[in-house]
Amino acid sequence: DGGITQSPKYLFRKEGQNVTLSCEQNLNHDAMYWYRQDPGQGLRLIYYSQIVNDFQKGDIAEGYSVSREKKESFPLTVTSAQKNPTAFYLCASSFSQGPAGELFFGEGSRLTVL
Amino acid sequence: AQSVTQLDSQVPVFEEAPVELRCNYSSSVSVYLFWYVQYPNQGLQLLLKYLSGSTLVKSINGFEAEFNKSQTSFHLRKPSVHISDTAEYFCAVKKTSYDKVIFGPGTSLSVIP
Repeated sequence: DGGITQSPKYLFRKEGQNVTLSCEQNLNHDAMYWYRQDPGQGLRLIYYSQIVNDFQKGDIAEGYSVSREKKESFPLTVTSAQKNPTAFYLCASSFSQGPAGELFFGEGSRLTVL
Repeated sequence: AQSVTQLDSQVPVFEEAPVELRCNYSSSVSVYLFWYVQYPNQGLQLLLKYLSGSTLVKSINGFEAEFNKSQTSFHLRKPSVHISDTAEYFCAVKKTSYDKVIFGPGTSLSVIP
């Protein structure tokens, strides 16, 4: 069954700690994305990757880092430099070529900083 | 820069009543348009999309949206809503196949029994 798997679903961390969110897809998609969702603000793009070993900053990349060593995986690290990390994080993927590739989303990871 | 406006942040509606969720975008060029739905504590799912051709597009669960180029709008409608339609709805726009998707702030639809 093809899809996108995010883990963990819920995560708590203390201030000053880094945390890594996992995102794996078996849809054979080229492109992968990380979004942050806050109430009333829609989705904001953190980082995206169109191909293995390459990624670009989105609109709110400060305090985050990513890697794309495998086509299937695109982990996101929320660093201690991120000033307000409590949010719902969504990973998505799509084909990077062809007409307007539809985004497929994972179920999200909710991060709470204590 | 492109932007997407969803004027209504919350829309309450009684079950079996019609509903319209409004979406306007700012772009002087041709775009691709999408509506995504998000159920509580889940990711987003594509509801319907406009790429080209007929300006009226429909989903399998009774929603439809009409692309209006002159008004730069892509409003979502359903003639009779069900309790299970309660969710957050996001309008999104994309300029080309390789461009980033820009999301609106979302509209929370609450269906009242």
